[in-house]
Amino acid sequence: EVQVVESGGDLVKPGGSLRLSCAASGFNFDNAWMNWVRQAPGKGLEWVARTHSRISGGTTAYAAPVKGRFTISTDNSKNTLFLQMNSLQVDDTGIYYCSLGGGYGGQGTLVTVSS
Amino acid sequence: QVVVTQEPSLTVSPGGTVTLTCGSSTETVTSGQFAFWFQQKPGQVPRTLIYDTNNKHSWTPARFSGSLLGGKAALTLSGAQPEDEAVYYCLLSYSDVRVFGGGTKLTV
Repeated sequence: EVQVVESGGDLVKPGGSLRLSCAASGFNFDNAWMNWVRQAPGKGLEWVARTHSRISGGTTAYAAPVKGRFTISTDNSKNTLFLQMNSLQVDDTGIYYCSLGGGYGGQGTLVTVSS
Repeated sequence: QVVVTQEPSLTVSPGGTVTLTCGSSTETVTSGQFAFWFQQKPGQVPRTLIYDTNNKHSWTPARFSGSLLGGKAALTLSGAQPEDEAVYYCLLSYSDVRVFGGGTKLTV
């Protein structure tokens, strides 16, 4: 059974940074597309970033609102996906979910950006 | 900027059949967009029902199916149940990015 747990969300001031983690078990981390998705309060789902666990170079991509501020990466040895978020803005507030392979995900982690 | 379009709302009678669609502003949706369908019930985490156009997970009820229909991705619900009332989101893949539709609120 695949289990996915996101963590790292917190309350942070505008301009601050956070690093989100997505730990997976029972999932073949060796060869899969992986995404971060977010949902602002009361809003729909928004794709944030994607990468591939095996293909190196040029496989990361970002939504326009986060490009240049967020970085997606993986640690295949630990079956973990990361999202480094810098220069956080109020509009980045929401629940962040990872989505692995065919759409395996967890309960999400809450990021609140507020002064 | 790609825009993915879904019906804002649909209603289906219990036991009835309904098709939700997912269109792209830039091109006909094909298998190359690897369409995903997510279901989100009020207060719950979204869960994936369909991936890569028509593949189901072990938890996907058999009454849901994914396909391509008239240049769009489609999610068909055959034999709707009250517990299917939810918001459904599609996600399409393009060369660099993925884009969600705005969601369809399905009322049963």
